[in-house]
Amino acid sequence: QVQLQESGPGLLKPSETLSLTCTVSGDSVSGYYWNWIRQSAGKGLEWIGRFYSSDNIKYNPSLYSRVTMSVDASKNRFSLQLKFVTAADTAVYYCVRGKLHSGYYFYFDYWGRGTLVTVSS
Amino acid sequence: DIVMTQSPLSLSVTPGEPASISCRSSQSLHNYLDWYLQKPGQSPQLLIYLLSNRASGVPERFSGSGSGTDFTLKISRVEAEDVGVYYCTQSLEAPRTFGQGTKLEI
Repeated sequence: QVQLQESGPGLLKPSETLSLTCTVSGDSVSGYYWNWIRQSAGKGLEWIGRFYSSDNIKYNPSLYSRVTMSVDASKNRFSLQLKFVTAADTAVYYCVRGKLHSGYYFYFDYWGRGTLVTVSS
Repeated sequence: DIVMTQSPLSLSVTPGEPASISCRSSQSLHNYLDWYLQKPGQSPQLLIYLLSNRASGVPERFSGSGSGTDFTLKISRVEAEDVGVYYCTQSLEAPRTFGQGTKLEI
């Protein structure tokens, strides 16, 4: 069974860098779209971006200048970095697998349990 | 970005009765519309993909329909386990965007 587990600091100060890792078990990271989605009370569900390969990455334009995603296939891990965080980045962050269905279409088939990240001075 | 608007934002239904949730997009999605359910204390889970395809394990009482910019999720007979927040999302283009969510209560 596929399982996704997010890990990383739960508390950050403004201007710091958020770094999260998603450890994938039960399947390889290869061949899927790996997404980060966050959920906050104020903005609901927000798609941060996705990684398929090093030359196939898309970020939400609203976060583009601050986001970096990567996959370490040797460790079966997916990572997120978000620079210069503010209180507006406080949210539950989900690691989400995107399964390719047809063409370029994929749906979100597995979600991690989510990890709460709070930004506060 | 494509804006997704759901209605109603909350819904109270008697078990055994039908329920319907509407989702409207700011531009045509063709069939690129998915539905997710977030049960209390859980992560969202896929219900319907590509407008009307039920995900594996999803009961037949759930159905998706619509076209263009107007879409509907219907539950033919609500059960207690259906409580949670339902989200529509467009999968036509990046960035993926979600509706505000519809909270279903029994």
